[in-house]
Amino acid sequence: KNEVEQSPQNLTAQEGEFITINCSYSVGISALHWLQQHPGGGIVSLFMLSSGKKKHGRLIATINIQEKHSSLHITASHPRDSAVYICAASKIQGAQKLVFGQGTRLTINP
Amino acid sequence: DTGVSQDPRHKITKRGQNVTFRCDPISEHNRLYWYRQTLGQGPEFLTYFQNEAQLEKSRLLSNRFSAERPKGSFSTLEIQRTEQGDSAMYLCASRAFLGDEQFFGPGTRLTVL
Repeated sequence: KNEVEQSPQNLTAQEGEFITINCSYSVGISALHWLQQHPGGGIVSLFMLSSGKKKHGRLIATINIQEKHSSLHITASHPRDSAVYICAASKIQGAQKLVFGQGTRLTINP
Repeated sequence: DTGVSQDPRHKITKRGQNVTFRCDPISEHNRLYWYRQTLGQGPEFLTYFQNEAQLEKSRLLSNRFSAERPKGSFSTLEIQRTEQGDSAMYLCASRAFLGDEQFFGPGTRLTVL
């Protein structure tokens, strides 16, 4: 079992729909990251959180430390939100390297 | 541009050749990470530098791979005797000493024919 699991792996929705991507982790973490990756490979950090909830525009990220679970929500989705969304955990020990989920490929149709 | 840069962005090589990639982190970021991402998968950790010291290496990093950060600034990742299985996106990220956030470069896409 992977240390970070994401679901779903693929998600297709219509413009305007509310989107939820889930992430579960089994490692001790210093922070949980949500990242966005567009075709071509560049990765952009969306959120870094260790407790509670953060909001940026139409994006909301939540984390439940006790349940080791995080969600990324997109409200009023738009075709430009189409991308791969990756959940990653910073491990507490050592290098604090990121351990990544497999990613969720999101496609928003007009 | 003061972000993380990587060079080259794309590299096509024949099996058995050696390749070297470069990463320039955000200046004053003393922590530097290399990750590898194969098609359809999330990235996987390869190695970590704090200043010039390579403090952690993944078991994924076979003896054909070597990474350096000689002056604690830019880093290089060399792959010797490339194999088709080395085809992937190689990502570099840097991080400030007291920060949690990692800043990613655009990646180097390697194709081994």
